Amino acid sequence: AQSVAQPEDQVNVAEGNPLTVKCTYSVSGNPYLFWYVQYPNRGLQFLLKYITGDNLVKGSYGFEAEFNKSQTSFHLKKPSALVSDSALYFCAVSRSNDYKLSFGAGTTVTVRA
Amino acid sequence: DSGVTQTPKHLITATGQRVTLRCSPRSGDLSVYWYQQSLDQGLQFLIHYYNGEERAKGNILERFSAQQFPDLHSELNLSSLELGDSALYFCASSATGTTAETQYFGPGTRLLVL
Repeated sequence: AQSVAQPEDQVNVAEGNPLTVKCTYSVSGNPYLFWYVQYPNRGLQFLLKYITGDNLVKGSYGFEAEFNKSQTSFHLKKPSALVSDSALYFCAVSRSNDYKLSFGAGTTVTVRA
Repeated sequence: DSGVTQTPKHLITATGQRVTLRCSPRSGDLSVYWYQQSLDQGLQFLIHYYNGEERAKGNILERFSAQQFPDLHSELNLSSLELGDSALYFCASSATGTTAETQYFGPGTRLLVL
């Protein structure tokens, strides 16, 4: 079985401040980790993924995430948040021989001007 | 725009009815996935098709079925609808369906069962 936890339902930051959205995972074997963002009345947009290699992954719109195997975490970060980053963020995990993505409950990010 | 299209965008129907949701994957993608997003269950994987064949099943009810056609579009059929089936249904596609591949999501179909 595999699962993802996003411990914070909401994250609020001021524009220009660093943004962090937390994700921890549980999976047997090597994880494949993904971040998606969902804007109101839109589908999920892919931000970045970790499959193997460098623990720091860079993605779209200035986002990056760091894979930490010992802490089983894959936190999403952005050095300087924008108001337009306000959205619902999902962390997801899959693994070898498992085709589905298992999603966390999502974290609502609000960036205030 | 991910390149995945879903129709209709909205669907309102009554309990006991049957509906069909349609998905066209990105050009060249062979795999299609269906997910359900609801307030109480979150985002849940339903089923995966690769090049016309079912590859994996998730928490899909027996009242629900899906298929992928030779032109690679997919349909999700929901029957004997209940109030609890009200949700946002997403289709996603990927190139070949290997587990490390990125899945690209469509805009979803919002189903309301009254």
